[in-house]
Amino acid sequence: NAGVTQTPKFQVLKTGQSMTLQCAQDMNHEYMSWYRQDPGMGLRLIHYSVGAGITDQGEVPNGYNVSRSTTEDFPLRLLSAAPSQTSVYFCASSYGMGQYEQYFGPGTRLTVT
Amino acid sequence: GESVGLHLPTLSVQEGDNSIINCAYSNSASDYFIWYKQESGKGPQFIIDIRSNMDKRQGQRVTVLLNKTVKHLSLQIAATQPGDSAVYFCAENPWDSSYKLIFGSGTRLLVRP
Repeated sequence: NAGVTQTPKFQVLKTGQSMTLQCAQDMNHEYMSWYRQDPGMGLRLIHYSVGAGITDQGEVPNGYNVSRSTTEDFPLRLLSAAPSQTSVYFCASSYGMGQYEQYFGPGTRLTVT
Repeated sequence: GESVGLHLPTLSVQEGDNSIINCAYSNSASDYFIWYKQESGKGPQFIIDIRSNMDKRQGQRVTVLLNKTVKHLSLQIAATQPGDSAVYFCAENPWDSSYKLIFGSGTRLLVRP
């Protein structure tokens, strides 16, 4: 199994540009989520999904959209990038919500200038 | 408000010594706790978890202790090795927010040869 994969690894955007961060998992996990990690801070939940066709907001959803058309894929869209969205983004998956081990991808480092 | 924090932002230990990383939490509704290890440039990796009905759990070279009276969590690493150098995060899951993991800001463990 490849586990959780993310692309791209690095991205630089100009303010106002849009882009999609890709996330895929091959473990048949129902639960997937997106986090952002800022320097000196823990991970903060952006959006999550409990299965195909079902998504919901986490702690810091503003400026991001998600969709879950398949079990495997959970892309994160930045609608109009802002410098405040400069961060490292991690996708994670698990068998269930909350009290299950989450498997994290390698991350995407995004810089918005 | 809810928070998960760490007492020591950086911990330096001699190779072979035991390491203790501490974490304080403030949400008494949390009933599940996890320790993650994050190496440079990688996503967090699950180390060990503990539920609130336990006060100690052991893994391979790691032990997690939970003191619910003072809302304190610790991770003990026995015979610390250079490969243990990383940032360690504690996270909590409140029983009334099944989707939510609250992460602390992390402690960097440096192992001196």
